[in-house]
Amino acid sequence: AQKITQTQPGMFVQEKEAVTLDCTYDTSDPSYGLFWYKQPSSGEMIFLIYQGSYDQQNATEGRYSLNFQKARKSANLVISASQLGDSAMYFCAMREIQGAQKLVFGQGTRLTINP
Amino acid sequence: DAGVIQSPRHEVTEMGQEVTLRCKPISGHDYLFWYRQTMMRGLELLIYFNNNVPIDDSGMPEDRFSAKMPNASFSTLKIQPSEPRDSAVYFCASSLDTGARQYFGPGTRLTVT
Repeated sequence: AQKITQTQPGMFVQEKEAVTLDCTYDTSDPSYGLFWYKQPSSGEMIFLIYQGSYDQQNATEGRYSLNFQKARKSANLVISASQLGDSAMYFCAMREIQGAQKLVFGQGTRLTINP
Repeated sequence: DAGVIQSPRHEVTEMGQEVTLRCKPISGHDYLFWYRQTMMRGLELLIYFNNNVPIDDSGMPEDRFSAKMPNASFSTLKIQPSEPRDSAVYFCASSLDTGARQYFGPGTRLTVT
């Protein structure tokens, strides 16, 4: 069964610093997608970045990048030059392509950016 | 595009009442998902549809929950009778294809007293 683990319940970072949010996953499906979503206090789920299991390069989207280490089954999110508006819950999620196809979420990491 | 639309945004009801949550997916998306978010269990998939057909309802907690998708532009999640433990935020999401990004609606915050 697919599983996502986020080991950092909370993180506190100084504004303008880079931050890495950890995510490890487990699946037996060779084809899968990894996602990161941001959930601010307003509650909506905001898509940040996607990495396919066969993608050769790490995904990047503006200040967000995904450090994909397939052998270690990790998909850490890196936010460069953090901003106050980055304070939110961050969820890592995985979707198997051939298997269940449902999106399975980790428990989330609450990121707080300090001025 | 308006994105995924959910209604109502907030619902407060008494235990035992029927609750109906509504979702309009993004036009052209073949997949529709219903999720529930609670502090205790996090985000969990309840059911998903492909081309209006329910594919996996293994996450539906019990028979009090039912979901329908009568056409490509509308889905409902119904709880009858509702219980206080059903209090949660319910999200609807849609996507184009398997493995594709899922677009989430704003959610419905349900409170059952």
